[in-house]
Amino acid sequence: AQTVTQSQPEMSVQEAETVTLSCTYDTSENNYYLFWYKQPPSRQMILVIRQEAYKQQNATENRFSVNFQKAAKSFSLKISDSQLGDTAMYFCAFMLRDDKIIFGKGTRLHILP
Amino acid sequence: EAGVVQSPRYKIIEKKQPVAFWCNPISGHNTLYWYLQNLGQGPELLIRYENEEAVDDSQLPKDRFSAERLKGVDSTLKIQPAELGDSAVYLCASSLGVGSTTGELFFGEGSRLTVL
Repeated sequence: AQTVTQSQPEMSVQEAETVTLSCTYDTSENNYYLFWYKQPPSRQMILVIRQEAYKQQNATENRFSVNFQKAAKSFSLKISDSQLGDTAMYFCAFMLRDDKIIFGKGTRLHILP
Repeated sequence: EAGVVQSPRYKIIEKKQPVAFWCNPISGHNTLYWYLQNLGQGPELLIRYENEEAVDDSQLPKDRFSAERLKGVDSTLKIQPAELGDSAVYLCASSLGVGSTTGELFFGEGSRLTVL
């Protein structure tokens, strides 16, 4: 069975600092997607960044980047120059090619002024 | 382009009462998901549709929960009768479906249910 584990329930960092959120997953499949979704307080969930398992190059989106270690089944999210608007729940998610998607329990991130 | 629309945003009912949630996905999205999200937790899949077909409803408590997606567009999730433990946010999401090059899910704002 596929699982997604986020080992950090809550984190706090100062504005402008860099923070890394951890995620590990377990699967026997070889082709899949990995995602980080952001859910701000009382707002809808949105995609932050996406990684396809067959791509070795780590995905980047502006201040957001991932460290994808396929052999270790690790998919961490790095937020550089953190901003107050980055305060949110962050969910790591794993999707097989058949659209079955599994979410982790989330990491609550606080950016402190 | 309109996003995923859900209603109602908030619903307060007494236990044993019925409740229904509605979702309108993004136009052209074949796959529709209903998720349950408890406070401070990640979304848990209730049911997934590919067009009109429920392809994964293994986590749907069928004794009290039901869902439908008529004509492969809008969907309704119903709970009857509601229990105290059903208090949660019910999220609807849609995607282009199998074969999509992105796999991205687009979420609605959710329907927050409080059962008293």
